[in-house]
Amino acid sequence: QKEVEQNSGPLSVPEGAIASLNCTYSDRGSQSFFWYRQYSGKSPELIMFIYSNGDKEDGRFTAQLNKASQYVSLLIRDSQPSDSATYLCAVKRNSGGYQKVTFGTGTKLQVIP
Amino acid sequence: KAGVTQTPRYLIKTRGQQVTLSCSPISGHRSVSWYQQTPGQGLQFLFEYFSETQRNKGNFPGRFSGRQFSNSRSEMNVSTLELGDSALYLCASSLDGFQPQHFGDGTRLSIL
Repeated sequence: QKEVEQNSGPLSVPEGAIASLNCTYSDRGSQSFFWYRQYSGKSPELIMFIYSNGDKEDGRFTAQLNKASQYVSLLIRDSQPSDSATYLCAVKRNSGGYQKVTFGTGTKLQVIP
Repeated sequence: KAGVTQTPRYLIKTRGQQVTLSCSPISGHRSVSWYQQTPGQGLQFLFEYFSETQRNKGNFPGRFSGRQFSNSRSEMNVSTLELGDSALYLCASSLDGFQPQHFGDGTRLSIL
């Protein structure tokens, strides 16, 4: 079982719709969770992070965390063609005084005009 | 505030050579992590430096090494290059390794 799993996609949504991206993780000791957006040929860009169970909203983005079920999701409301990118989920846990970070392989999102 | 700066942006080397990549973190950030990204493997963690000490290391051979200077700038060295080392090498900095990481633009390394 992979430590962090994401559906590779592509996930296709029409412009204006809600895109829902999911990520599951295996380590129950995981403490912090991040979503990065990566455009083709570019480096990952941090868009959201969440530490506690529940929802966290920032503009059109909402991160949702459920530690009991070991999943974290990212909702993108009013999806735009410029949101078309690969979205990487990253999970951190404390390991011997330092933070171990594991990335998922990403979900490719395509927003269709 | 300037972001994470990586140099060079592109490199072409041949098998057996060695290469050094540089990373300047965001001002005030003391933690620098290095990652290798390939289409097949995704983002793989190489190592993390904090206050000039390697604090964490991924599962890469000893040909991959790094260091961090007193100004938090970091370098990564790869010796005896192999074709499979062709990848995008990304550096990410964080205030202390516990806060979120921010990535540089990366160095794209091609091995011929």
